Amino acid sequence: KAGVTQTPRYLIKTRGQQVTLSCSPISGHRSVSWYQQTPGQGLQFLFEYFSETQRNKGNFPGRFSGRQFSNSRSEMNVSTLELGDSALYLCASSSAGDETQYFGPGTRLLVL
Amino acid sequence: GEDVEQSLFLSVREGDSSVINCTYTDSSSTYLYWYKQEPGAGLQLLTYIFSNMDMKQDQRLTVLLNKKDKHLSLRIADTQTGDSAIYFCAERHTGTASKLTFGTGTRLQVTL
Repeated sequence: KAGVTQTPRYLIKTRGQQVTLSCSPISGHRSVSWYQQTPGQGLQFLFEYFSETQRNKGNFPGRFSGRQFSNSRSEMNVSTLELGDSALYLCASSSAGDETQYFGPGTRLLVL
Repeated sequence: GEDVEQSLFLSVREGDSSVINCTYTDSSSTYLYWYKQEPGAGLQLLTYIFSNMDMKQDQRLTVLLNKKDKHLSLRIADTQTGDSAIYFCAERHTGTASKLTFGTGTRLQVTL
């Protein structure tokens, strides 16, 4: 089975722009979670989608949003980018009832 | 509350055992995980333990859980240079679906 894939792997944006990141889960997995990793704050949970519905949300401003499609692929969007949004964004997938989450390689976003 | 702590750095000699420690505060945790992150990469799931277990062994890895002290450890036997990475412990709470709370990460350096 192919693992979790994330595109693009690297992105450079400027302040005020918006960005969309994509995540394709492992085949058959219906849950997709997103995390932000920064040197200062570590790994923080953004949100989780299951069967196209947001099931859980972390403490991030409304500029961070996401969605999930019927094929379980997920996108996250960050609007009005700030310098502090520079981070590695990780996506993880799991199957229903599975206690394990599998992570993708991440998208590294740099905001200038 | 949710708080997971780890020491920042551990240095061991090749062939020795490594023990990475983690403390958590939330007694409602259901599963506890260990992930490995190599430079520029995502998170690799190493092993996990259910909260009603005391120990789990998987080849060179041994996880010990002390529920009374809320202490989790990962022992790596016969540590190799390829084990050099950052190790994260994470907890999953009852009723929070797939949300994981991560520790700060321990950088393991293996010397010859």
